[in-house]
Amino acid sequence: EVQLVESGGGLVQPGGSLRLSCAASGFTFNYYWMSWVRQAPGKGLEWVANIKQDGSERYYVDSVTGRFTISRDNAMNSLYLQMSSLRAEDTAIYYCARGSRGYHGDYLEDWGQGTLVTVSS
Amino acid sequence: DIQMTQSPSSLSASIGDRVTITCRASQTIGRYLNWYQQKTGKAPKLLIYGASTLQSGVPPRFGGSGSDRDFTLTISSLQPEDFALYFCQQSYTSPFTFGQGTTLEIK
Repeated sequence: EVQLVESGGGLVQPGGSLRLSCAASGFTFNYYWMSWVRQAPGKGLEWVANIKQDGSERYYVDSVTGRFTISRDNAMNSLYLQMSSLRAEDTAIYYCARGSRGYHGDYLEDWGQGTLVTVSS
Repeated sequence: DIQMTQSPSSLSASIGDRVTITCRASQTIGRYLNWYQQKTGKAPKLLIYGASTLQSGVPPRFGGSGSDRDFTLTISSLQPEDFALYFCQQSYTSPFTFGQGTTLEIK
């Protein structure tokens, strides 16, 4: 059974930093792209970033580029999101998701339960 | 960035109804379109990928169609467990943007 367990969320002041982790199990981690998706309270989903199997390619939504860094440790079956210069608008539940690739593009096949990040003074 | 627009934003329907949710992309995306369902307090769940391929384990009452800019998610006969939030997502080009969501409520 695929399991994705996020951790590291919490309350942080504006301008602060936080590192999210996602522990993966139940599948061969280094075979898959991995993504972070967030959801502000009561709002829709926003794709944040993804990373290739070997970490050689990373992509970000413009609003986090230069502030967030996605990374992975395949030996530890773990995905990370280092967040800095945090803003109130970064307040959201952050989901880790496993990406799969089909004939017509990528899709997010499995999701963690999410971790809440609150940016407030 | 590609903008994804869903309609309607909310929808009231009854058990057994057939419902359709639409998703329009701001530019052509081929069939690079996915649908997700989200229940209150839970993570999203993949329903359909590649515009029309049903994810394993998803009931066949769910169906997807469309290409280029216009897509639909159809539920052929609503069941109580289908009342939820639905999102489309394009995977044509990064950032892989989502629609704003459609809330499906019980009438």
